[in-house]
Amino acid sequence: QKEVEQNSGPLSVPEGAIASLNCTYSDRVSQSFFWYRQYSGKSPELIMSIYSNGDKEDGRFTAQLNKASQYVSLLIRDSQPSDSATYLCAVIDSNYQLIWGAGTKLIIKP
Amino acid sequence: ETGVTQTPRHLVMGMTNKKSLKCEQHLGHNAMYWYKQSAKKPLELMFVYNFKEQTENNSVPSRFSPECPNSSHLFLHLHTLQPEDSALYLCASSARLAYDNEQFFGPGTRLTVL
Repeated sequence: QKEVEQNSGPLSVPEGAIASLNCTYSDRVSQSFFWYRQYSGKSPELIMSIYSNGDKEDGRFTAQLNKASQYVSLLIRDSQPSDSATYLCAVIDSNYQLIWGAGTKLIIKP
Repeated sequence: ETGVTQTPRHLVMGMTNKKSLKCEQHLGHNAMYWYKQSAKKPLELMFVYNFKEQTENNSVPSRFSPECPNSSHLFLHLHTLQPEDSALYLCASSARLAYDNEQFFGPGTRLTVL
C-alpha cells in the first residue's frame, strides 16, 4: 500500500516567521511531488510541484525534495494570517495518479 | 467561465433518490477525475478519464456511475446512496496523464445523504 504521511497538526506559527511543513512517502520510485493549499470549505489549490532533488523557490514558498530520504517539505517565509489553511502533499504513482496525504493544518498567529 | 466548474454546489438527497453531479473544465485538458473528500481523510480517487476513456475505477460501489461524453464534461450519477456517502465530491482536470500531472480542482459539491 503506497502511503503519504503528514503530521495532521495544527501547526501554529507566529506571523512573519517561517512555517515548515513536512511529508514522507513510501514508494521509492515516485518521481513527482505536489503541494496544495486548501482553505476551509474550499477545494485544493496547487501551490508548487517539484520533480528534482533540491530546492525550488516561488515567491515566499520553497519546496525541498530529498528522494534518498523519501521526504518532501514546504517552507513558507514571512508567514501571513492568509496562509492559514490545510496543506496537502501529493505524490505521483506509476500510473501517473496522485497519492494524497491527509494534510497538515497550519495556523498563523497575528 | 474559467477553470473547473461544478454543479450543484450543495445537494441533499434521500437514500432512494437519483441525482447527478456535473463538472465542466475550460482549460483544454484531456484528463478528468472524480475524488471523494471526507473529514480528516486523504482525498480518495474514484474515477479517472483520459481522452474520454475511463482508465481508473478504484473499487467504487456501483451506486456511483460516471459518464464522460467529451473531454470537457464529466458527470457522476448517484442512486440509492448510503449516509456514509455524505462528503465533498471534487472534480479535477489535468493536461495529461504523465509525470507532470498537475491537477486543477473545481469548487466541489457538498453532498448530504439522509
